[in-house]
Amino acid sequence: NAGVTQTPKFRILKIGQSMTLQCAQDMNHNYMYWYRQDPGMGLKLIYYSVGAGITDKGEVPNGYNVSRSTTEDFPLRLELAAPSQTSVYFCASSSAGTYNEQFFGPGTRLTVL
Amino acid sequence: KQEVTQIPAALSVPEGENLVLNCSFTDSAIYNLQWFRQDPGKGLTSLLLIQSSQREQTSGRLNASLDKSSGRSTLYIAASQPGDSATYLCAVSENSGYSTLTFGKGTMLLVSP
Repeated sequence: NAGVTQTPKFRILKIGQSMTLQCAQDMNHNYMYWYRQDPGMGLKLIYYSVGAGITDKGEVPNGYNVSRSTTEDFPLRLELAAPSQTSVYFCASSSAGTYNEQFFGPGTRLTVL
Repeated sequence: KQEVTQIPAALSVPEGENLVLNCSFTDSAIYNLQWFRQDPGKGLTSLLLIQSSQREQTSGRLNASLDKSSGRSTLYIAASQPGDSATYLCAVSENSGYSTLTFGKGTMLLVSP
């Protein structure tokens, strides 16, 4: 099992550009999550999904969009990138069958200039 | 709103010492608690998950305890090694469904040879 994979590892965007962060898991988990981690601020939930076709906002959803067309994939879309979106983005997944223990991907480090 | 606090924010110890990392949470109605390890520039690795009905979990030199009524958890690391140097994060979930996590800001541990 590859677990949770994320691409790209690093990206630099200019203000106003858009991009999609990719996330995939091969553990057949129902639940998937996107977090951002800012220095000294801990991890904040952006969006989550309880299954294909079902998504909902987390604590900091502004400026982002998600979709979930398959169980495996949960891409995060940034529209009109702003410097405030400079952060490290983590995708995670979990299953009710394992007490919702969350497993994380390696992260995408994004800089918006 | 659930808040998670970790003390201390940073800790430096010589190799071989036993040490305790602390985590407290404001709402005791949790479903489970996870301890993670994060190496610099890397993703989060799940170390231990304690269900709300459990008092402790052990994995090798790590032991995590949970006192739900007082809103506290501790992570005990025995015989610390330089390879234990990392940031340790505590996170709680509050329901048995999709279970989004609320994170503390972490304890940065440095174990010197």
